[in-house]
Amino acid sequence: GAGVSQSPSNKVTEKGKDVELRCDPISGHTALYWYRQSLGQGLEFLIYFQGNSAPDKSGLPSDRFSAERTGGSVSTLTIQRTQQEDSAVYLCASSSVVSGGLGTQYFGPGTRLLVL
Amino acid sequence: AQKVTQAQTEISVVEKEDVTLDCVYETRDTTYYLFWYKQPPSGELVFLIRRNSFDEQNEISGRYSWNFQKSTSSFNFTITASQVVDSAVYFCALSGRAGNMLTFGGGTRLMVKP
Repeated sequence: GAGVSQSPSNKVTEKGKDVELRCDPISGHTALYWYRQSLGQGLEFLIYFQGNSAPDKSGLPSDRFSAERTGGSVSTLTIQRTQQEDSAVYLCASSSVVSGGLGTQYFGPGTRLLVL
Repeated sequence: AQKVTQAQTEISVVEKEDVTLDCVYETRDTTYYLFWYKQPPSGELVFLIRRNSFDEQNEISGRYSWNFQKSTSSFNFTITASQVVDSAVYFCALSGRAGNMLTFGGGTRLMVKP
C-alpha cells in the first residue's frame, strides 16, 4: 500500500514568513509523529498525535511551531515567523496499533525547508 | 532521560568486507524498544529492525544481523559481505514505550567502495 507522503518536498522561504508542511500518514495508522533533521542537531522529535488524545508537544522548540491533525488523518506542521535556524528536513512518521502498544514508525520522504 | 550513542560517525570499507555498526543506549525504562533505520542518499528513513527489551535473541536477516546485549546496553548491527548499495547513514533509535517518540543516535555514515 501507499506509504507516508509529505508535501511539499522542498520549500524555500524568506525569514519572517510562515510556512505549512503537510503529512499524509499510512491509511489506518492512528499515531503520527513529526521529527526534524538538521546538521547541527541530528534527528529530533517535535510532536506526537495518537488517536483523539491530546498531542505530546514536548519536542516543539518554540511557540512559533504548532501542528494539528484533522480527522485523525492528515497533519499540518506550521512554523510562524521563520528563522534561518529553522532550515532543516522535516520528517513525518506514522504507526499502527499492535499487541502491547503502538507499532513501528514508518517515515515519509521529508520536506526540505530552507529559510533565506 | 534517554540517550543513544553511535560512536562511529563514518566508516569506509571495501565491498565484500564485513562491517559492524555500534550502538549504545541509556534508559531508565524497564520496557523499551530498539530500532535501526537506514537513510540512503535519497533521504528517506527505511525501517530495518525493531527489538523489545525482553528479547535478547540475536537476529539474522540475509546479510544483516543484530546483536542485542542488555548487560552492556548495546544493540550492534553487522553487515556481512558488504555491497555498494549498503552505502547510507544508519541510525540506531530507542523508544521508551512502543509507539512513543524515538530518540535517535547521531548516525553512522557507511561508505562501501567497489
